[in-house]
Amino acid sequence: AAGVIQSPRHLIKEKRETATLKCYPIPRHDTVYWYQQGPGQDPQFLISFYEKMQSDKGSIPDRFSAQQFSDYHSELNMSSLELGDSALYFCASSSKSGTSGETQYFGPGTRLLVL
Amino acid sequence: GIQVEQSPPDLILQEGANSTLRCNFSDSVNNLQWFHQNPWGQLINLFYIPSGTKQNGRLSATTVATERYSLLYISSSQTTDSGVYFCAVGSTDKLIFGTGTRLQVFP
Repeated sequence: AAGVIQSPRHLIKEKRETATLKCYPIPRHDTVYWYQQGPGQDPQFLISFYEKMQSDKGSIPDRFSAQQFSDYHSELNMSSLELGDSALYFCASSSKSGTSGETQYFGPGTRLLVL
Repeated sequence: GIQVEQSPPDLILQEGANSTLRCNFSDSVNNLQWFHQNPWGQLINLFYIPSGTKQNGRLSATTVATERYSLLYISSSQTTDSGVYFCAVGSTDKLIFGTGTRLQVFP
């Protein structure tokens, strides 16, 4: 079965640089979520989109922005990177009209290291 | 916001042993999922279980929504079960994760 695809899988950036993370949800899933997991911590919700509109927002820094495109893929844009942004970034997708409840399926994550 | 507590924080088992992981949450939820995060960081979905009982092989889970807790049972543990087990709950879109139970299974 198709899973959530994230790219790149690993990314190394310098402080103050920008980064763009991409997420391709499971086909026919209409909702995309972004989570950030710092070292030794649990994942924290950043932002979500339903049918290309922002549906919920968590503790996402103002330096970060995200959007969902017409083909349902999503991008997380991160600017003025700081050392503390080093983390594992997960994208998840779900279907509000599916038969599996609103199970969120997680991608493999993008590991970002800011030097 | 909703608080999620997991216990125990750490668990060390010998292969073949059984274990029970607990997740307590502070408010009504309409989503509860159990995940296994393997040593490579992948979050593997185990159960979507806002209420009731489910079983999948050696794993089973029970959620008692009225009492705001969920249990994950692992039977006949294997070394590949090692990793961190997260409970995550939601009442809106987002999932709120507990701090996890770190499981180590030794041969």
